[in-house]
Amino acid sequence: DAGVTQSPTHLIKTRGQHVTLRCSPISGHKSVSWYQQVLGQGPQFIFQYYEKEERGRGNFPDRFSARQFPNYSSELNVNALLLGDSALYLCASSLDRVLYEQYFGPGTRLTVT
Amino acid sequence: AQRVTQPEKLLSVFKGAPVELKCNYSYSGSPELFWYVQYSRQRLQLLLRHISRESIKGFTADLNKGETSFHLKKPFAQEEDSAMYYCALRTGGYALNFGKGTSLLVTP
Repeated sequence: DAGVTQSPTHLIKTRGQHVTLRCSPISGHKSVSWYQQVLGQGPQFIFQYYEKEERGRGNFPDRFSARQFPNYSSELNVNALLLGDSALYLCASSLDRVLYEQYFGPGTRLTVT
Repeated sequence: AQRVTQPEKLLSVFKGAPVELKCNYSYSGSPELFWYVQYSRQRLQLLLRHISRESIKGFTADLNKGETSFHLKKPFAQEEDSAMYYCALRTGGYALNFGKGTSLLVTP
């Protein structure tokens, strides 16, 4: 298993545009969480999805949305991009919501110009 | 509010010296605490969690509820320990709340 995979690796967008980031969890993992990591900071929780339903949301505006598909892969969407959205976006998967370790992907580096 | 504080951005030690990476948290309930590590060009990975009370790669961390701390310690640092270390607090059962991280540099 390649572990958690994310695409694309890097992305450059302009202000006001929309972006979609993708995540494939480890096989058998049903929970996917998204984190934003701004340079010099620790990861900040955005969403958790489990069994295709949103189970938790961090302190992010409604411009951020996500979904989980029947195969447990997930998409993170960000509308009306701002310069401050430039960050590394991390996806993490785990077997369930609570008890098991979260495994992180390599991240997608988003640059907004 | 839940908060994790790692007071040192950078910690530099010599090989063979003891190392302690500090982590303090604020949370009124029963915390779950973790240490994550990110080696150069690798992804973030779990190092240890307080409930397992184990030693991984020679590192240990003890939860001190009185001092609200979860410091990471190793008696003899190795060059391969050089990495970015993040302390994280889990509340509400799912979200991890990370500190800003400490960069550990072990020099020969």
